[in-house]
Amino acid sequence: KAGVTQTPRYLIKTRGQQVTLSCSPISGHRSVSWYQQTPGQGLQFLFEYFSETQRNKGNFPGRFSGRQFSNSRSEMNVSTLELGDSALYLCASSLNPAGDTQYFGPGTRLTVL
Amino acid sequence: DQQVKQNSPSLSVQEGRISILNCDYTNSMFDYFLWYKKYPAEGPTFLISISSIKDKNEDGRFTVFLNKSAKHLSLHIVPSQPGDSAVYFCAASAVGSGNTGKLIFGQGTTLQVKP
Repeated sequence: KAGVTQTPRYLIKTRGQQVTLSCSPISGHRSVSWYQQTPGQGLQFLFEYFSETQRNKGNFPGRFSGRQFSNSRSEMNVSTLELGDSALYLCASSLNPAGDTQYFGPGTRLTVL
Repeated sequence: DQQVKQNSPSLSVQEGRISILNCDYTNSMFDYFLWYKKYPAEGPTFLISISSIKDKNEDGRFTVFLNKSAKHLSLHIVPSQPGDSAVYFCAASAVGSGNTGKLIFGQGTTLQVKP
């Protein structure tokens, strides 16, 4: 079974731009969670989607948003990019959000100049 | 407020010996715990998990122990191999309280296994 895939793997943007990252979960997995990893803050939860509904949200500004499609694929969007948004963005999928193991994709490395 | 803490930033062990990685948590609502292994610029790889109703779970060379009264868990790797060298993250979730899909991670411990 194919793992979680994320595209693109690397991205360079400038301040003020917006970006969209994509995540395809493991086949059959319906829950998708997003995380941001930075050297200073570690791995931080952004949000979680299940059946196209955002069910949980971390402590990030409204510039960070996401959605999930009927095939469980998910996208996250960051608008008005800031230098501090430079990070590794990770997507994880699980069969369901209730106590199930999350499997991570390789991540998208975003650099904001 | 760091709810999951890995107090040892690094650990070095000799090949063939036991590696013990520790993790402490503060939130008594956590009911599911996981360990992940991570290489730079890659996503975390799931290793092993444990539910709060258990105190031990084994999978091959990996064993996780949970001490709920002390709010402490540990990952034992026996025997350690050079390929185990990576950053290890402890993570916790509070599914029973409705906090679905959210893992809280520790800051990680870098394990180096010397040949």
